[in-house]
Amino acid sequence: GENVEQHPSTLSVQEGDSAVIKCTYSDSASNYFPWYKQELGKRPQLIIDIRSNVGEKKDQRIAVTLNKTAKHFSLHITETQPEDSAVYFCAAYNTGNQFYFGTGTSLTVIP
Amino acid sequence: DSGVTQTPKHLITATGQRVTLRCSPRSGDLSVYWYQQSLDQGLQFLIQYYNGEERAKGNILERFSAQQFPDLHSELNLSSLELGDSALYFCASSVGAGGTGELFFGEGSRLTVL
Repeated sequence: GENVEQHPSTLSVQEGDSAVIKCTYSDSASNYFPWYKQELGKRPQLIIDIRSNVGEKKDQRIAVTLNKTAKHFSLHITETQPEDSAVYFCAAYNTGNQFYFGTGTSLTVIP
Repeated sequence: DSGVTQTPKHLITATGQRVTLRCSPRSGDLSVYWYQQSLDQGLQFLIQYYNGEERAKGNILERFSAQQFPDLHSELNLSSLELGDSALYFCASSVGAGGTGELFFGEGSRLTVL
C-alpha cells in the first residue's frame, strides 16, 4: 500500500516569513494530493490540492508543488500570519480507494 | 459548517463497553469515510462506504464495525472498548466513490474510555 511521510512534524516561523512542509509518497499510482488544515479542536478542512498531471498550483499565499519523478510534494505558505497556525496534513490518493494521510505538521506563526 | 453531522460530540464510557457513533453525510454525497485521530497522531483511515457498500478498508480492528444505511447515514460500532481506543473519530463524506475530490469532515466524536 501507499506510505506517506511528512516533514517536519513541528515548524515555527516569524510572522511574514515563509513556511514549507514536505511530503513523500511511495505508490507511483497515486494521482491526487490534497492538503488539509486542522485548527485546534476543529475538523480538517481542504486548503489546496493538486492532481498528478499538474506540477504546481497556487491560491493566493498558498502553493503546492508536485514532483512525480521523485514522488514528493510540498506546501508553501508565504507571508505567514498568526491565523495560519494549525496542523497541516498532506494526503495521497490512489486507485485503492484510500486517502493516505501524513502524520501532520504543527505550524506556529510567531507574531 | 461542512454539512457533515456527527453524533455524539463527546462520549465517556468504560473499558469493555460498546458504543455507536453516527454520521450523516452532506446532502448528495454517496461516500462516507471513517478516520481515527489519537492524541498527537495523524488521521488513521478505518473504512469507506459508497452508496451502502463497503468500498475500502484500512486499519480497522475486528472489534470495530461499520455500515451505511439506505438513507446514506453511517454508523461506526466500537465494542470491547480498551483504553487505547480513546480518540477523536472523524467521519468525512465525498460525492463519488473515487477520491479525486474534497473530503468534507464532520466535527468529530471524541471518545474517552476510562
